[in-house]
Amino acid sequence: AQSVTQLDSHVSVSEGTPVLLRCNYSSSYSPSLFWYVQHPNKGLQLLLKYTSAATLVKGINGFEAEFKKSETSFHLTKPSAHMSDAAEYFCVVSPSRGAGSYQLTFGKGTKLSVIP
Amino acid sequence: GAGVSQSPSNKVTEKGKDVELRCDPISGHTALYWYRQSLGQGLEFLIYFQGNSAPDKSGLPSDRFSAERTGGSVSTLTIQRTQQEDSAVYLCASSLEVEDTQYFGPGTRLTVL
Repeated sequence: AQSVTQLDSHVSVSEGTPVLLRCNYSSSYSPSLFWYVQHPNKGLQLLLKYTSAATLVKGINGFEAEFKKSETSFHLTKPSAHMSDAAEYFCVVSPSRGAGSYQLTFGKGTKLSVIP
Repeated sequence: GAGVSQSPSNKVTEKGKDVELRCDPISGHTALYWYRQSLGQGLEFLIYFQGNSAPDKSGLPSDRFSAERTGGSVSTLTIQRTQQEDSAVYLCASSLEVEDTQYFGPGTRLTVL
């Protein structure tokens, strides 16, 4: 069984300040972890993916996330927010291999607002 | 290259009517997935295809929902006798193989009046 908890439903930051979106996961298996972003009326775009290689994962648009097994966390960060980062962000877990590895479990999403 | 495409982008229908939603995966992707995104439930897995076969249909909410895939490419999700609770955004994704990263289409927003 697996689950994802995104700790904040809404985060608001000023342009140019750091972004932190929090995610905790639970998985019976060695997990793969993902962050996807969804802009209004658009599909989900993959930001980054962790698959048991380096624990610090760099993604697109300056985002990165750190896998911390001891804390079962996979928080998403960015040093400096841009107006175009305003969107909804989803933390996602799946088994890294084997039965059910295709089945993504999504968090409920965090809506990021960026204030000019 | 081209991404996953879905049609229509928006569909408004009356309760009780049947609807068909279409997904064109990325060329060469063998696996295809359907998800539903609704306000109350978040993002839910519905069904996936490996080639033309659907090994896991466990997420389909009722027997009014069905899906098929032909030629290892296009997939159609059919909802019969639509109900208001079927209103949601239906997302399709594809991946090169089943364990690979899933790439999503823009979705079809279904509104049942």
